[in-house]
Formats: sequence, structure tokens, C-alpha cells
Amino acid sequence: AQSVTQLDSQVPVFEEAPVELRCNYSSSVSVYLFWYVQYPNQGLQLLLKYLSGSTLVKGINGFEAEFNKSQTSFHLRKPSVHISDTAEYFCAVSNSGNTPLVFGKGTRLSVIA
Amino acid sequence: DARVTQTPRDKVTEMGQEVTMRCQPILGHNTVFWYRQTMMQGLELLAYFRNRAPLDDSGMPKDRFSAEMPDATLATLKIQPSEPRDSAVYFCASARGAVETQYFGPGTRLLVL
Repeated sequence: AQSVTQLDSQVPVFEEAPVELRCNYSSSVSVYLFWYVQYPNQGLQLLLKYLSGSTLVKGINGFEAEFNKSQTSFHLRKPSVHISDTAEYFCAVSNSGNTPLVFGKGTRLSVIA
Repeated sequence: DARVTQTPRDKVTEMGQEVTMRCQPILGHNTVFWYRQTMMQGLELLAYFRNRAPLDDSGMPKDRFSAEMPDATLATLKIQPSEPRDSAVYFCASARGAVETQYFGPGTRLLVL
């Protein structure tokens, strides 16, 4: 069985500061890894995904994540956050792009002016 | 800009009533997922279909929930009878292939009184 642990439920950060949202996963097979963002009262939007190849993945809105197989981690980073980045962020794992996603509990990022 | 659509966006009903939620996947996507989001459980899979055939509905309470795909452009999720513990946001997502991304709809926010 697959599982995802997001180590921080809430992360407050000042505007223009860097941020890292942590994600660890467990799986007995090769996985695909995803980060989704959810703005208030909206659906989930894909930020980035790792399927194979380069372990550093760049996504939308200036976010990037690094796949670390030995540490089973897929942490999300942004060098300088904006107020508009305030949202809930979900890390997820699946066996492929069209099999069910297993989600972490989410990290609420609050950007403070 | 192709999107997954869901109706209704919001639903308030009384305990014991039937609730039907509808989803229109992105044209050409052959895999459809139903997820439920609650504060306590987070995001969890209820059921999913490929080429209109159910592949996994183990996440659904079988006695009250049913999911169908009458055709390739419509997926439905029904709850009968509804209970207060069914209050949640229900998301539909669709995907096209094994290396594709799941695209989420805006969700149906259900409140059962």
C-alpha cells in the first residue's frame, strides 16, 4: 500500500521569503509523484509532477520539487513567495497517471505581508 | 480550455433525501475518479472508472452510495439515503492515459442536515 506524509500541517511565511513544504512517501513499487494546490472553495490544480528522468522538477508559479529516492521524499520549494501563494498544498502518489491518487493530509501555506 | 465540470456546485439537503452529483469529464479522457474531501479524512478515493467500466469502488459505502457512467460524457454519484456524515466536498477528476495528469473539477459541496 502507498502512503504520503506531509510533515507540516501549517506553514506561515513572510512575503518574498523562501519556503519548503515537506512530503515523504512510502511505496513498494515505482511511483509517480504530484503536488496539487487548492485555493479556497476551488478544485485541485496541478503544480508539478515527477514521472521519471530528472529528479528536479519545475512547475507553475515558480515552484519546483526534488525527487529523492533514497529518502523517499518529494519536497516542494519556492525561492520567493507571494501573497497569492496562500493556499492548501497536497502531495500525492500513484502508480501511473490514470490510477488513483493517494494524498497527504495537506499543508496550509499562509503568506504574511 | 478543456475542464471537468461538476453539478451542482453546492447542495443542502435533509437527512434521508437522495442526492445526485454529476460530472462531465474532459472530452477524450477515458478514466474518471470520484474523491471525497473532509476535514477529518482529507482526500480519499471513492470510486473510479476506465472506459465506463468500474475498476474500484471499495472506498464507497455500498449500502447507500452508487456510482455509474451512463455514457462517456457523464459520471454520476448518488447517495440514498443521505446522512449528516456524508457532508463533504465531492470531486470528480478525469485522465487520459498512464502518463497523463488527473484534472479535477471544482467540486460539489454537500451539506446534509
